[in-house]
Amino acid sequence: NAGVMQNPRHLVRRRGQEARLRCSPMKGHSHVYWYRQLPEEGLKFMVYLQKENIIDESGMPKERFSAEFPKEGPSILRIQQVVRGDSAAYFCASSRDRLNTEAFFGQGTRLTVV
Amino acid sequence: KNEVEQSPQNLTAQEGEFITINCSYSVGISALHWLQQHPGGGIVSLFMLSSGKKKHGRLIATINIQEKHSSLHITASHPRDSAVYICAAMESGGATNKLIFGTGTLLAVQP
Repeated sequence: NAGVMQNPRHLVRRRGQEARLRCSPMKGHSHVYWYRQLPEEGLKFMVYLQKENIIDESGMPKERFSAEFPKEGPSILRIQQVVRGDSAAYFCASSRDRLNTEAFFGQGTRLTVV
Repeated sequence: KNEVEQSPQNLTAQEGEFITINCSYSVGISALHWLQQHPGGGIVSLFMLSSGKKKHGRLIATINIQEKHSSLHITASHPRDSAVYICAAMESGGATNKLIFGTGTLLAVQP
């Protein structure tokens, strides 16, 4: 049973490009959380998704950021027109359901905007 | 003031020492997590607890719900324990069960 898989591990984008970060939850997990860790800062919640639904996106910047978790395939965090301030580590965590609160984290995607 | 506070922020210990990291929180929680992160590495969940005490190898985690306080202890510390330890509170109520993180404790265990 593979753990939470995130790819790519490292991503370099020029200012203005788009970044797409992927998260495949553990087998049997239908709940996905995205967190962002800015340099020298702690982790912050971004968005919580279940299959095909965004449940809570209160931590997502209002512009340029979007997330999805389709019926088939990984969850995608998409950042359009990236800026230097988007450089951070983005972590995904999955759980089996909301009541089973054990969450398993991926290795993260480290985004660098140049 | 952060909703989840950790202390100390930095901790240096000699190999073999007993280590304690503290976490206080101000929100109502359904569970509290202790996480480990190596520099540039991923995040590993060490414990999830909602009451009492849990032990895994040389690691022990305790929580006092009334006092809103948790501690992570490492016995017989080893240089490979060097990492950032993060306390994260799972806020109760609502539909999300999102985690609120402390800023982490950077532990360095010297041989």
